[in-house]
Amino acid sequence: GESVGLHLPTLSVQEGDNSIINCAYSNSASDYFIWYKQESGKGPQFIIDIRSNMDKRQGQRVTVLLNKTVKHLSLQIAATQPGDSAVYFCAEIENYGQNFVFGPGTRLSVLP
Amino acid sequence: DSGVTQTPKHLITATGQRVTLRCSPRSGDLSVYWYQQSLDQGLQFLIHYYNGEERAKGNILERFSAQQFPDLHSELNLSSLELGDSALYFCASSVDGTGETQYFGPGTRLLVL
Repeated sequence: GESVGLHLPTLSVQEGDNSIINCAYSNSASDYFIWYKQESGKGPQFIIDIRSNMDKRQGQRVTVLLNKTVKHLSLQIAATQPGDSAVYFCAEIENYGQNFVFGPGTRLSVLP
Repeated sequence: DSGVTQTPKHLITATGQRVTLRCSPRSGDLSVYWYQQSLDQGLQFLIHYYNGEERAKGNILERFSAQQFPDLHSELNLSSLELGDSALYFCASSVDGTGETQYFGPGTRLLVL
């Protein structure tokens, strides 16, 4: 099947700075995208989602941007905090829930 | 706490054996999804059940099977286990069958020796 990939496997940011985590997807027919956060020893936690008919969606301190032209998804975290340290996965849902494809993940490390 | 429970938390078994992993979805959720997370393959979608019926299949091996019961809990059966089946197995649940807004359980760590 087609895959979702991440450009940066690790990202270190200073506490208080903004973080940007990127993701490239390959299935232009995917209709829904999700960002998950996974802390050590825990299951993935839903952060924010976006439908394919949108290009931006904002949550609390997080923003997801979708660029369908270049098949790119990004997660922006404002004022990054130590508690944001985790692995972040992008995921795409294909064919209205027939398949779920996850990226390999990016580890975000917040420096004091 | 997502509200999704999985048992057991850890499982150690031998090659060739069969195990059953259990998942209870959040109250009110009708869908259960199973995923495998390994170091070399990442998170892989296995199968999705909605209200007792299989809705979608992903990269699930023929040695693996699942079902969702009338009370909506689900079991993932893994048989003829191989060393490569060692992984974290997650289930997730969602309120409907679209696959959106899934809540993941804490996972079952399976080690096949």
